[in-house]
Amino acid sequence: KQEVTQIPAALSVPEGENLVLNCSFTDSAIYNLQWFRQDPGKGLTSLLLIQSSQREQTSGRLNASLDKSSGRSTLYIAASQPGDSATYLCALSSGGSYIPTFGRGTSLIVHP
Amino acid sequence: DGGITQSPKYLFRKEGQNVTLSCEQNLNHDAMYWYRQDPGQGLRLIYYSQIVNDFQKGDIAEGYSVSREKKESFPLTVTSAQKNPTAFYLCASSIDSGMAGELFFGEGSRLTVL
Repeated sequence: KQEVTQIPAALSVPEGENLVLNCSFTDSAIYNLQWFRQDPGKGLTSLLLIQSSQREQTSGRLNASLDKSSGRSTLYIAASQPGDSATYLCALSSGGSYIPTFGRGTSLIVHP
Repeated sequence: DGGITQSPKYLFRKEGQNVTLSCEQNLNHDAMYWYRQDPGQGLRLIYYSQIVNDFQKGDIAEGYSVSREKKESFPLTVTSAQKNPTAFYLCASSIDSGMAGELFFGEGSRLTVL
Protein backbone atom coordinates (compact mmCIF):
# COMPACT_ATOMS: atom_id res chain seq x y z
CA LYS A 1 0.00 0.00 0.00
CA GLN A 2 1.25 3.46 -0.92
CA GLU A 3 2.53 5.53 2.01
CA VAL A 4 3.08 9.26 1.69
CA THR A 5 5.21 11.20 4.15
CA GLN A 6 5.67 14.94 4.41
CA ILE A 7 8.57 16.37 6.36
CA PRO A 8 8.73 18.67 8.21
CA ALA A 9 5.27 18.69 9.78
CA ALA A 10 5.65 22.39 10.56
CA LEU A 11 7.91 25.15 9.35
CA SER A 12 8.33 28.79 10.35
CA VAL A 13 10.43 31.13 8.22
CA PRO A 14 10.99 34.87 7.84
CA GLU A 15 9.53 36.63 4.84
CA GLY A 16 11.69 36.54 1.72
CA GLU A 17 13.25 33.13 2.26
CA ASN A 18 13.28 30.48 -0.44
CA LEU A 19 12.04 27.20 0.98
CA VAL A 20 11.55 23.56 0.07
CA LEU A 21 8.77 21.26 1.22
CA ASN A 22 9.25 17.53 0.89
CA CYS A 23 6.93 14.68 -0.04
CA SER A 24 8.20 11.10 -0.09
CA PHE A 25 6.40 7.96 -1.18
CA THR A 26 7.03 4.24 -1.00
CA ASP A 27 5.65 2.98 -4.33
CA SER A 28 7.27 4.61 -7.34
CA ALA A 29 4.63 3.30 -9.79
CA ILE A 30 2.61 6.51 -9.62
CA TYR A 31 0.34 8.05 -12.25
CA ASN A 32 0.54 11.61 -11.01
CA LEU A 33 1.39 13.77 -8.01
CA GLN A 34 -0.51 16.86 -6.98
CA TRP A 35 0.39 19.64 -4.52
CA PHE A 36 -2.37 21.46 -2.66
CA ARG A 37 -2.68 24.41 -0.36
CA GLN A 38 -5.19 24.48 2.52
CA ASP A 39 -6.05 27.57 4.54
CA PRO A 40 -7.56 27.07 8.03
CA GLY A 41 -11.15 25.84 7.86
CA LYS A 42 -11.13 25.77 4.06
CA GLY A 43 -11.02 23.22 1.29
CA LEU A 44 -7.92 22.28 -0.68
CA THR A 45 -6.73 24.42 -3.57
CA SER A 46 -4.76 22.71 -6.31
CA LEU A 47 -1.34 24.28 -6.88
CA LEU A 48 0.49 21.98 -9.29
CA LEU A 49 -0.10 18.62 -10.95
CA ILE A 50 2.84 16.55 -12.21
CA GLN A 51 2.11 13.61 -14.46
CA SER A 52 4.25 10.50 -14.17
CA SER A 53 6.13 11.29 -17.36
CA GLN A 54 7.07 14.80 -16.21
CA ARG A 55 9.99 15.94 -14.03
CA GLU A 56 8.66 19.29 -12.88
CA GLN A 57 5.95 21.91 -13.12
CA THR A 58 6.09 25.64 -12.44
CA SER A 59 3.49 28.23 -11.56
CA GLY A 60 4.66 31.70 -10.60
CA ARG A 61 6.88 31.43 -7.52
CA LEU A 62 6.14 27.71 -7.14
CA ASN A 63 8.10 24.87 -8.66
CA ALA A 64 7.35 21.22 -8.03
CA SER A 65 9.72 18.42 -9.00
CA LEU A 66 9.23 14.68 -9.19
CA ASP A 67 11.88 11.98 -8.86
CA LYS A 68 10.18 8.60 -9.04
CA SER A 69 13.40 6.63 -8.65
CA SER A 70 14.05 8.12 -5.23
CA GLY A 71 10.37 8.28 -4.28
CA ARG A 72 10.42 11.99 -3.71
CA SER A 73 8.79 15.24 -4.75
CA THR A 74 9.70 18.72 -3.62
CA LEU A 75 7.72 21.95 -3.69
CA TYR A 76 9.97 24.99 -3.97
CA ILE A 77 8.56 28.36 -2.93
CA ALA A 78 10.64 31.35 -3.96
CA ALA A 79 10.71 34.62 -2.04
CA SER A 80 8.15 33.54 0.54
CA GLN A 81 5.45 35.97 1.68
CA PRO A 82 3.14 36.04 4.72
CA GLY A 83 0.28 35.20 2.36
CA ASP A 84 1.96 31.86 1.68
CA SER A 85 1.16 30.79 5.25
CA ALA A 86 -1.01 27.68 4.98
CA THR A 87 -0.82 23.90 5.11
CA TYR A 88 0.64 22.26 2.02
CA LEU A 89 -0.38 18.71 1.12
CA CYS A 90 0.79 16.33 -1.54
CA ALA A 91 -1.29 13.51 -3.00
CA LEU A 92 -0.39 10.64 -5.29
CA SER A 93 -2.42 8.49 -7.61
CA SER A 94 -0.99 5.03 -7.91
CA GLY A 95 -2.00 1.40 -8.09
CA GLY A 96 -4.81 -0.01 -10.19
CA SER A 97 -7.58 2.13 -8.71
CA TYR A 98 -6.01 5.57 -9.37
CA ILE A 99 -7.40 6.76 -6.03
CA PRO A 100 -5.25 9.56 -4.54
CA THR A 101 -3.38 8.98 -1.29
CA PHE A 102 -2.56 12.03 0.81
CA GLY A 103 0.30 13.01 3.07
CA ARG A 104 -0.43 14.70 6.40
CA GLY A 105 0.81 18.05 5.19
CA THR A 106 3.37 20.66 6.18
CA SER A 107 2.08 23.65 8.13
CA LEU A 108 3.95 26.74 6.95
CA ILE A 109 4.13 30.09 8.70
CA VAL A 110 5.89 32.98 6.98
CA HIS A 111 6.35 35.85 9.42
CA PRO A 112 6.99 39.45 8.41
CA ASP B 1 -18.01 29.61 -12.54
CA GLY B 2 -17.39 25.88 -12.48
CA GLY B 3 -16.69 24.26 -9.17
CA ILE B 4 -17.78 22.09 -6.30
CA THR B 5 -20.37 23.28 -3.79
CA GLN B 6 -20.66 21.70 -0.37
CA SER B 7 -23.46 22.46 2.07
CA PRO B 8 -24.00 23.15 4.82
CA LYS B 9 -20.68 24.70 5.83
CA TYR B 10 -21.37 23.99 9.51
CA LEU B 11 -23.68 21.34 10.94
CA PHE B 12 -24.50 20.30 14.47
CA ARG B 13 -25.97 16.91 15.22
CA LYS B 14 -27.31 15.27 18.30
CA GLU B 15 -26.19 11.76 19.04
CA GLY B 16 -28.40 9.18 17.37
CA GLN B 17 -29.33 11.39 14.42
CA ASN B 18 -28.49 10.82 10.78
CA VAL B 19 -27.31 13.84 8.80
CA THR B 20 -26.71 14.32 5.07
CA LEU B 21 -23.96 16.47 3.59
CA SER B 22 -24.51 17.80 0.11
CA CYS B 23 -21.91 17.89 -2.68
CA GLU B 24 -22.73 19.29 -6.11
CA GLN B 25 -20.32 19.83 -9.02
CA ASN B 26 -20.81 21.54 -12.38
CA LEU B 27 -17.45 20.50 -13.82
CA ASN B 28 -18.93 17.57 -15.74
CA HIS B 29 -16.60 15.24 -13.85
CA ASP B 30 -17.28 11.51 -13.74
CA ALA B 31 -15.41 10.74 -10.50
CA MET B 32 -16.37 12.07 -7.08
CA TYR B 33 -14.89 11.44 -3.64
CA TRP B 34 -15.62 12.01 0.03
CA TYR B 35 -12.75 12.50 2.47
CA ARG B 36 -12.66 13.01 6.20
CA GLN B 37 -10.05 15.25 7.81
CA ASP B 38 -9.19 15.20 11.53
CA PRO B 39 -6.65 17.48 13.25
CA GLY B 40 -3.11 16.27 12.72
CA GLN B 41 -4.15 13.59 10.28
CA GLY B 42 -4.16 13.37 6.54
CA LEU B 43 -7.27 13.02 4.45
CA ARG B 44 -8.92 9.63 4.72
CA LEU B 45 -11.14 8.30 1.96
CA ILE B 46 -14.72 7.44 2.93
CA TYR B 47 -16.39 6.63 -0.40
CA TYR B 48 -15.78 7.27 -4.06
CA SER B 49 -17.80 7.02 -7.24
CA GLN B 50 -16.39 6.60 -10.72
CA ILE B 51 -19.67 6.80 -12.57
CA VAL B 52 -23.38 7.42 -11.99
CA ASN B 53 -25.17 4.67 -10.04
CA ASP B 54 -21.90 3.14 -8.89
CA PHE B 55 -19.78 3.78 -5.79
CA GLN B 56 -17.11 2.01 -3.77
CA LYS B 57 -16.10 1.97 -0.13
CA GLY B 58 -12.92 3.72 0.87
CA ASP B 59 -10.73 3.12 3.90
CA ILE B 60 -13.22 4.30 6.55
CA ALA B 61 -16.72 3.65 5.13
CA GLU B 62 -18.26 2.21 8.30
CA GLY B 63 -21.09 4.40 9.57
CA TYR B 64 -21.44 6.31 6.30
CA SER B 65 -23.59 5.90 3.19
CA VAL B 66 -23.69 7.60 -0.20
CA SER B 67 -25.71 7.69 -3.41
CA ARG B 68 -24.87 8.73 -6.95
CA GLU B 69 -28.16 9.12 -8.81
CA LYS B 70 -26.98 12.10 -10.85
CA LYS B 71 -23.57 12.87 -12.33
CA GLU B 72 -23.36 16.23 -10.57
CA SER B 73 -24.43 15.10 -7.10
CA PHE B 74 -22.80 12.84 -4.49
CA PRO B 75 -24.43 13.26 -1.05
CA LEU B 76 -22.91 11.70 2.06
CA THR B 77 -25.05 10.51 4.97
CA VAL B 78 -23.41 10.23 8.36
CA THR B 79 -25.44 7.67 10.23
CA SER B 80 -25.89 7.11 13.95
CA ALA B 81 -23.62 4.08 13.56
CA GLN B 82 -20.61 6.33 13.03
CA LYS B 83 -19.01 6.38 16.49
CA ASN B 84 -16.93 9.52 16.15
CA PRO B 85 -18.48 11.71 13.45
CA THR B 86 -17.14 15.10 14.55
CA ALA B 87 -14.76 16.07 11.74
CA PHE B 88 -14.22 18.19 8.65
CA TYR B 89 -15.66 16.56 5.52
CA LEU B 90 -14.32 17.30 2.06
CA CYS B 91 -15.85 16.44 -1.28
CA ALA B 92 -13.70 16.25 -4.41
CA SER B 93 -14.05 15.41 -8.08
CA SER B 94 -11.86 14.59 -11.04
CA ILE B 95 -12.66 14.29 -14.71
CA ASP B 96 -12.19 10.53 -14.77
CA SER B 97 -10.58 8.41 -12.07
CA GLY B 98 -9.32 6.08 -14.80
CA MET B 99 -7.16 8.89 -16.16
CA ALA B 100 -5.78 9.92 -12.75
CA GLY B 101 -6.76 13.48 -13.50
CA GLU B 102 -6.44 16.61 -11.43
CA LEU B 103 -8.43 16.59 -8.21
CA PHE B 104 -10.64 19.55 -7.27
CA PHE B 105 -12.16 20.17 -3.84
CA GLY B 106 -15.14 21.90 -2.33
CA GLU B 107 -14.90 24.23 0.68
CA GLY B 108 -15.77 21.52 3.18
CA SER B 109 -18.46 20.88 5.79
CA ARG B 110 -17.68 20.84 9.50
CA LEU B 111 -19.84 18.44 11.47
CA THR B 112 -20.02 18.65 15.26
CA VAL B 113 -21.85 16.14 17.39
CA LEU B 114 -23.33 17.64 20.54
